[in-house]
Amino acid sequence: GAVVSQHPSWVICKSGTSVKIECRSLDFQATTMFWYRQFPKQSLMLMATSNEGSKATYEQGVEKDKFLINHASLTLSTLTVTSAHPEDSSFYICSAPGQSYEQYFGPGTRLTVT
Amino acid sequence: KQEVTQIPAALSVPEGENLVLNCSFTDSAIYNLQWFRQDPGKGLTSLLLIQSSQREQTSGRLNASLDKSSGRSTLYIAASQPGDSATYLCAARISGNTPLVFGKGTRLSVIA
Repeated sequence: GAVVSQHPSWVICKSGTSVKIECRSLDFQATTMFWYRQFPKQSLMLMATSNEGSKATYEQGVEKDKFLINHASLTLSTLTVTSAHPEDSSFYICSAPGQSYEQYFGPGTRLTVT
Repeated sequence: KQEVTQIPAALSVPEGENLVLNCSFTDSAIYNLQWFRQDPGKGLTSLLLIQSSQREQTSGRLNASLDKSSGRSTLYIAASQPGDSATYLCAARISGNTPLVFGKGTRLSVIA
């Protein structure tokens, strides 16, 4: 089946710094990728849709200047959390639609901001 | 706007019991529906995908049904095992290239 990878799997950073998370589709191309966020004991909430060759579309309440998304190629999307704060600590997961539009998810990135 | 609800929020059963997890969605015009498993602190494992034209899918001890007209899906787990303990998430998609809308999940504990 299709595989989506994420890097890093976990990261700890200091408040005020920026963190970049990569999402790659390993054996298929994805013109669209989705970024979700999951707080402890809560479900996944869509943050934004990453579009190759165009700007990302953000869900209501998600700051586009804080969460920068770049869909650099048909296999790579990056999410940069700028000026991170402790409240940004969360589990970030990306996904990409494959054949039959089944969603394939990355393993997630756990971000802790101290 | 599509909303997905899962009941119950948590469930504890003895090993060997058959169980049903429920999922409902507000917009019956879905493209497909997926059931996932999530272990604590981990990512998602896709269990079953049901296209809108299908009524059920089976994989091993798992069976998922879909009733679009009533806006419901169920995940049936037969002969539950302690290893089945996890959070089960239901998610619906409105069209082919749109993101999934997730329910809040059912936290299952299977007691040996």
